[in-house]
Amino acid sequence: GESVGLHLPTLSVQEGDNSIINCAYSNSASDYFIWYKQESGKGPQFIIDIRSNMDKRQGQRVTVLLNKTVKHLSLQIAATQPGDSAVYFCAENSGLTGGGNKLTFGTGTQLKVEL
Amino acid sequence: KAGVTQTPRYLIKTRGQQVTLSCSPISGHRSVSWYQQTPGQGLQFLFEYFSETQRNKGNFPGRFSGRQFSNSRSEMNVSTLELGDSALYLCASSLSTGMVGELFFGEGSRLTVL
Repeated sequence: GESVGLHLPTLSVQEGDNSIINCAYSNSASDYFIWYKQESGKGPQFIIDIRSNMDKRQGQRVTVLLNKTVKHLSLQIAATQPGDSAVYFCAENSGLTGGGNKLTFGTGTQLKVEL
Repeated sequence: KAGVTQTPRYLIKTRGQQVTLSCSPISGHRSVSWYQQTPGQGLQFLFEYFSETQRNKGNFPGRFSGRQFSNSRSEMNVSTLELGDSALYLCASSLSTGMVGELFFGEGSRLTVL
């Protein structure tokens, strides 16, 4: 029979508002985290990254916050635009020195921007 | 410059067949990683190749294999296809291993197994 897909959490925001997308991770050894954006029919696109020795990093209209105590990561998008509509994934790498480019991805959040 | 190119973009196979997918990385990139994306399991790491050597491997059965050529192009093969292998297979390239922040994904090869 047909397999049941993952139910993606959905975040709906009004254009111009700020968006906050959350992600929990489980591996305490993870030392590098990345946020990706995936639009329909395309591959994931790098947004911003952060290393475990930081708790905040800012990019253009985006900010990533890392709370290692509770193993939580968030992506904040300022002044959300229709072009921001996509699925957002957090990903972790458990060891750049030996882990290579092996990423563990979260389940993703569907961001919908309402006009 | 050209991005990561994956071929074919779409293909349909039947159970028991085998399939080969191709990935051409960005020029100069030596690391190629493969991921499987399904509605049921999300994005899962298959393997990474760097300088023609398998660097990392995910938790997939031996039916899934890959290789990398001297020009950094990579192929992955799935033998004895099962219905559950229906997925989007994504290739990502990077200048080197351990540079995940510079990981560039292709648009994927969508495999349907009937």
